[in-house]
Amino acid sequence: NAGVMQNPRHLVRRRGQEARLRCSPMKGHSHVYWYRQLPEEGLKFMVYLQKENIIDESGMPKERFSAEFPKEGPSILRIQQVVRGDSAAYFCASSPARGRTDTQYFGPGTRLTVL
Amino acid sequence: AQTVTQSQPEMSVQEAETVTLSCTYDTSESDYYLFWYKQPPSRQMILVIRQEAYKQQNATENRFSVNFQKAAKSFSLKISDSQLGDAAMYFCAYNGLRGNQFYFGTGTSLTVIP
Repeated sequence: NAGVMQNPRHLVRRRGQEARLRCSPMKGHSHVYWYRQLPEEGLKFMVYLQKENIIDESGMPKERFSAEFPKEGPSILRIQQVVRGDSAAYFCASSPARGRTDTQYFGPGTRLTVL
Repeated sequence: AQTVTQSQPEMSVQEAETVTLSCTYDTSESDYYLFWYKQPPSRQMILVIRQEAYKQQNATENRFSVNFQKAAKSFSLKISDSQLGDAAMYFCAYNGLRGNQFYFGTGTSLTVIP
C-alpha cells in the first residue's frame, strides 16, 4: 500500500517562473492538505481539499498560489511568478474519506528552490 | 487560534539514555488530538505517536511514550533507550475537532551521542 506520493522531490525555478507541485494521496484517501515549511520553522497549513472542492484555504497567500484536487489525478499546488521567498519545503498530507480523519499521513515533500 | 509551543530548540541525549521533549499548547476546545512527528534529514514526516484528548491514559509506542497533562495543556514525549536513529527534528502537532489542519510547533532538534 503506497504512501502519499509527491513529485518532484526537488524543483528549481528562476524568479518569475511557475512551479507545479503534485501530490497523490494514499489509496482510499480523498482528503488532501498542503503545508509549507520555511527553513528552521515548523509546518504551516496552507489549504485543505476534497475531490473537486477547496474546503479551507485560510493559509494560502492571496496572490500567486492556487490548489486543486480534480476528480481524476493528483492534487496540484501551483505557484505563479515565483519569488525567492517561496523557497521552502512543501508537504502534502492525506486522510481517509470515511472514518477517522484525525491522523494525516505525510508525503516526503517537495523542496522548491527559487534562484 | 490554536498555538503549539516547543521551548527546546535543541536537545541531546547519550545513546541508551532517556530524554524528554516538551510541548505545550493553547486551545479552547475540549476534544482534540495531539501528535509527535519525527523529521529525519530526509525531511520525511514520520508519525511517532498520537494521543486523543478524551483518553486519560498516556499513549505508548515501544520506546516512545507521552505525558499528557490536559489541565496544564502539556504534551511531552519521552524516548527511552535512545538510539542513533532517533536523531531528528521532532515536531509536536495539534488537530482540533474540525480536522481541517494541523498546528505545528517549531520543532526540537534531537542529537544522540554515541
